[in-house]
Parts: sequence; structure tokens; C-alpha cells
Amino acid sequence: GDSVTQTEGLVTLTKGLPVMLNCTYQTTYSPFLFWYVQHLNEAPKLLLKSSTDNKRTEHQGFYATLHKSSSSFHLQKSSVQLSDSALYFCALSDRSSGSWQLIFGSGTQLTVMP
Amino acid sequence: EAAVTQSPRSKVAVTGGKVTLSCHQTNNHDYMYWYRQDTGHGLRLIHYSYVADSTEKGDIPDGYKASRPSQENFSLILELASLSQTAVYFCASSDRGRDTGQLYFGEGSKLTVL
Repeated sequence: GDSVTQTEGLVTLTKGLPVMLNCTYQTTYSPFLFWYVQHLNEAPKLLLKSSTDNKRTEHQGFYATLHKSSSSFHLQKSSVQLSDSALYFCALSDRSSGSWQLIFGSGTQLTVMP
Repeated sequence: EAAVTQSPRSKVAVTGGKVTLSCHQTNNHDYMYWYRQDTGHGLRLIHYSYVADSTEKGDIPDGYKASRPSQENFSLILELASLSQTAVYFCASSDRGRDTGQLYFGEGSKLTVL
């Protein structure tokens, strides 16, 4: 079945450094990928989404490019800030059950140090 | 701004007791979902619904029931609560179809089963 894999459970960086959070997926349908961010004690919120191959999508300084050839949708930022500390989820839209739902990866906890 | 409200926000239940978590949305969305999040982990789909009076099983439905009496309301029912069901539960809504992909989450309901 469809699945999403996030390989890093925890990423710790110093403020100002670049970051890349990995996301790969498996699907038999045309992929539609999402990144959600969840700050401490808050609800998850949509950060980015894309279904277009090889097109970069950006929001709030974060960016990601869907690469169908490698089944990847990695999240990047050139210079992380303290406020970027949060849990990041990659998600894939799934139609395998006949109706629409999102499949979430296990999440990557990003901690930015001063 | 889309609005999804959950109640209660926090609950302590005894093992074997019945727990009902309620969710109300004012977005006029067709889809509603119940997810479970364990500390520091991803979101797992319990039940979802794409039309009133109908519910579908997600990835981890065992031990949970769902009810969608109207488009606006979606409840999660634990008939016999167990220790393993201690978690944070998120309700979410979404418009029809896969192309938006934006789930609007409630603030979460923290359930502790003793």
C-alpha cells in the first residue's frame, strides 16, 4: 500500500545553518505531497504542498521540490531560526481505500539551538 | 479562518470506562477525521467520514467507534477505555477531494486512562 518514510526522528541544529528534512513515498497513484508543521502543544498546520514534478514550492522560508523520479519531497530551509523548532510531518494523499485520506510519516523533530 | 473545535480538551478516564470525544466544524467540509498522536510520534488515522451517517475505518480502528450524525459533528467513542489508549487525539476536516490536501485540525484532546 501507499506509505511515507521520514528517516530522521530528531534533528538538532544551530541557528543560521541550513536544514534538509527527508521524505520519500510510495504510491500507485499520481502523488500529491504535503508538509505539515506542529509547534509544541499546538495543532498541526499545513506548510507546503505539491503535485507538480520538479517544481519548487515555497512558504515561510521553507521550500520543497517533488521529484517523481526518486519519489522524494524533501523539506529545506537555508537558515533556520529558533522559531522553526517544531515537529514536521510529510504526508501523502491516498486513494487506495476508494476515498480520500492523508497518510502521515512518523515525523521529524527539529530543534534549533542558539 | 476554518474552525474545528474539540471537546473535552483534556480528560482523565478509568480503565474500562466509556469515553466520548466530540468534534464540531464550521467549515462546511465533507471530510472529517480522527487521528491519534502518541508523544513525539506521528499521526495515525483511526476513523474518518466523507458524508453524514457514514464512517470508515482508518489504519488503527480497533477499540474505537465513530459517529457522524451531521456534516458538522464527528465523535470518537471508546466503549471500554484501556491504558494503551492514553494519547492526544486530533480531529480534522477537509474539503471534498484530494487536490486541496489541507486538513484543518482541532486543538487536540488529551486523554489519560488510569
